[in-house]
Amino acid sequence: DGGITQSPKYLFRKEGQNVTLSCEQNLNHDAMYWYRQDPGQGLRLIYYSQIVNDFQKGDIAEGYSVSREKKESFPLTVTSAQKNPTAFYLCASSMRGGGYYEQYFGPGTRLTVT
Amino acid sequence: EDQVTQSPEALRLQEGESSSLNCSYTVSGLRGLFWYRQDPGKGPEFLFTLYSAGEEKEKERLKATLTKKESFLHITAPKPEDSATYLCAVQENTNAGKSTFGDGTTLTVKP
Repeated sequence: DGGITQSPKYLFRKEGQNVTLSCEQNLNHDAMYWYRQDPGQGLRLIYYSQIVNDFQKGDIAEGYSVSREKKESFPLTVTSAQKNPTAFYLCASSMRGGGYYEQYFGPGTRLTVT
Repeated sequence: EDQVTQSPEALRLQEGESSSLNCSYTVSGLRGLFWYRQDPGKGPEFLFTLYSAGEEKEKERLKATLTKKESFLHITAPKPEDSATYLCAVQENTNAGKSTFGDGTTLTVKP
């Protein structure tokens, strides 16, 4: 079955701790994305990558970091510098970047920081 | 800066009562407009891509249309299983890979 997996589904952390969210895809897609969704709101872009070893900041990158060492993987680290980290995080991929292709989303990780 | 506004925020329909959802957008040059469906607690699921004004796409009870300023998602004779949040997203032709999403319309269809 081709798709995107995110783990874990629920994550709880104490304030001040860094946490890494996993995203893996077996669709052979070049481009991958990370979004944040807050209640009643749409998706806001954190980071995106169109090719291995390259990534760009989205609209709300402050307090987050990413890496793209393999085509299949695009982990997101939520650092202690992120002021409001509690949110629903979604990873997505598309065949290529450039805006012509639809995005496929994972099931999401709900992060709660207390 | 790209802007996407969806209306209404919430829509309640009786089963079989047709209606439309609106997505108004502002971009300097549209590369593509995308519709997604999102069920509670899950990731969005792709529905349609529209590339140019006048284009229409259909899937079961859903039909998406596009003008130069807005897109409509028409729902004909909806069923309770159509209940979900519908998200609209646009990609500008100068911002490779970046999508701007609207806040969505939450549709509830009562039996």
